[in-house]
Amino acid sequence: RKEVEQDPGPFNVPEGATVAFNCTYSNSASQSFFWYRQDCRKEPKLLMSVYSSGNEDGRFTAQLNRASQYISLLIRDSKLSDSATYLCVAQSDSWGKLQFGAGTQVVVTP
Amino acid sequence: EAGVVQSPRYKIIEKKQPVAFWCNPISGHNTLYWYRQNLGQGPELLIRYENEEAVDDSQLPKDRFSAERLKGVDSTLKIQPAELGDSAVYLCASSPVLGDEQFFGPGTRLTVL
Repeated sequence: RKEVEQDPGPFNVPEGATVAFNCTYSNSASQSFFWYRQDCRKEPKLLMSVYSSGNEDGRFTAQLNRASQYISLLIRDSKLSDSATYLCVAQSDSWGKLQFGAGTQVVVTP
Repeated sequence: EAGVVQSPRYKIIEKKQPVAFWCNPISGHNTLYWYRQNLGQGPELLIRYENEEAVDDSQLPKDRFSAERLKGVDSTLKIQPAELGDSAVYLCASSPVLGDEQFFGPGTRLTVL
């Protein structure tokens, strides 16, 4: 079983709509969590960190549920430029070792 | 500020041949990581360096893979001999120190025929 699991999608979203998706992690000792964005044939880039209290960054909202060991990402007012693969990441130790999920593909359509 | 630089961007080789990838991290970043990303998967850590010391190489297949980071700056990842299953994107990342945000390079896309 992989440490971080995600629905691969694709999630087909009309422009302007809201889309949300989750990932689950198996290591209860994971300390920090992140969402990375990866465009096709590009490198991953940090989208946002995920805090226990939930956090927003513009149109993006991330939440962490430690009891159920899942992380969510919600994108409001989707833009065409939001089309990408979103990688869920758990940091398994304080020294920065990242465990990546396989990614959830989001396709925003006009 | 320049990002992480990797070369080559693409490499096609025949199986059993050797191959090497080079990474130049962001200036001042002490920590360097090598990841492998297979198609449809997330990156998987191969090795991470703190300056010139490898602090975690538990995921590096040591029978055919080797890495070095001389002088604690640039790093080279080598595969010898390459196998068909090594086809993947090899990503280098760096961070100021262990635990900080990691910045990824564009990767080297390896195809083994």
